[in-house]
Amino acid sequence: GNSVTQMEGPVTLSEEAFLTINCTYTATGYPSLFWYVQYPGEGLQLLLKATKADDKGSNKGFEATYRKETTSFHLEKGSVQVSDSAVYFCALANYGGATNKLIFGTGTLLAVQP
Amino acid sequence: DTEVTQTPKHLVMGMTNKKSLKCEQHMGHRAMYWYKQKAKKPPELMFVYSYEKLSINESVPSRFSPECPNSSLLNLHLHALQPEDSALYLCASSQDHSGGKTDTQYFGPGTRLTVL
Repeated sequence: GNSVTQMEGPVTLSEEAFLTINCTYTATGYPSLFWYVQYPGEGLQLLLKATKADDKGSNKGFEATYRKETTSFHLEKGSVQVSDSAVYFCALANYGGATNKLIFGTGTLLAVQP
Repeated sequence: DTEVTQTPKHLVMGMTNKKSLKCEQHMGHRAMYWYKQKAKKPPELMFVYSYEKLSINESVPSRFSPECPNSSLLNLHLHALQPEDSALYLCASSQDHSGGKTDTQYFGPGTRLTVL
């Protein structure tokens, strides 16, 4: 079946530190991969996505590369800010049936300290 | 514009009340979703509508009743809820290509529901 595994949080960093949040997946076929971000008290926002192997998604300084050989989609940012503090969800969508479903990882809480 | 709107933002209801959550999108999307999210957990899929027809019901109790009056609107009718139903309810929409291509889902801000 399809599944997503994310690193456990919380991840606590100082401002301007380098961020990596690991995400690996199990899926048949060729899923699309997503990172969503959820700020406190809000809904989910799409951060970036990749639809095929070796694609790199990027947005707001965040990036992730779809690695089929390692079944990974790690999220990185070179210099985090306090405003990046949020929960980050890795997800995959694998077409099957009439409508695709999103499979989420457990989420990783990022806390950035000034 | 990738905006999905939800009303109300907060809702408090008793176990005997009937209330409704509303979701709206104007992106021309033909698939709409309801999710339930408990604290510190990922969203859990409840229902999917595709072209205004219910296509997925993830074994949700009948006290939750979805409705899709048209392609832009999605409602969730609530009746006789339990305190454990307290959660953030998220609506999402996507293009729904229904042809073998996966879609990107865009989420609304959610309705925080408290059942007393």
